[in-house]
Amino acid sequence: SQQGEEDPQALSIQEGENATMNCSYKTSINNLQWYRQNSGRGLVHLILIRSNEREKHSGRLRVTLDTSKKSSSLLITASRAADTASYFCATDANFGNEKLTFGTGTRLTIIP
Amino acid sequence: SAVISQKPSRDICQRGTSLTIQCQVDSQVTMMFWYRQQPGQSLTLIATANQGSEATYESGFVIDKFPISRPNLTFSTLTVSNMSPEDSSIYLCSVVVNSYEQYFGPGTRLTVT
Repeated sequence: SQQGEEDPQALSIQEGENATMNCSYKTSINNLQWYRQNSGRGLVHLILIRSNEREKHSGRLRVTLDTSKKSSSLLITASRAADTASYFCATDANFGNEKLTFGTGTRLTIIP
Repeated sequence: SAVISQKPSRDICQRGTSLTIQCQVDSQVTMMFWYRQQPGQSLTLIATANQGSEATYESGFVIDKFPISRPNLTFSTLTVSNMSPEDSSIYLCSVVVNSYEQYFGPGTRLTVT
């Protein structure tokens, strides 16, 4: 069963605006990773944040993690048409195996 | 990161037949997994492909339906057996590198008619 849920399920914004997606999970985690998927193709790894980290940046991406609330957010700044995709968070459990449990995903559409 | 390839990239198969999907990695990796993504859904873990031993299956997935081989640290196959339309999905392999970062192959899009 899916551990996490993502919010919103779908998001449409104008090009140049910022996009924020949220992910919630249910059990303790070791790491949380964010992925992008274009049109049902393979997943592109965006960023990994460890359970002892609170914030991480990579280019136009900013990820936060709040383990007390069991939630994470992905912020994409200055969005571009090429950012149109589905975004998934995935967690691996605290007991040290790397099996990923995926959230439900957010479908992001950037309007040119 | 790792470069991962999958074959075939897509296939259309008839009900009752089997399809074997190959996953090749450009470096030796310890952890390799197989996931399924049903239409419009998120990803679900099928099994962990163990090198030199039987795969470890998740609840709801069985070896008779999804036999997996892992002959070495760079290669694995997943077979979808006795297919039905409900098996129509994208099948993805993944590997773990760089301290827990998990990378995915491009996926195999399977349609069962």
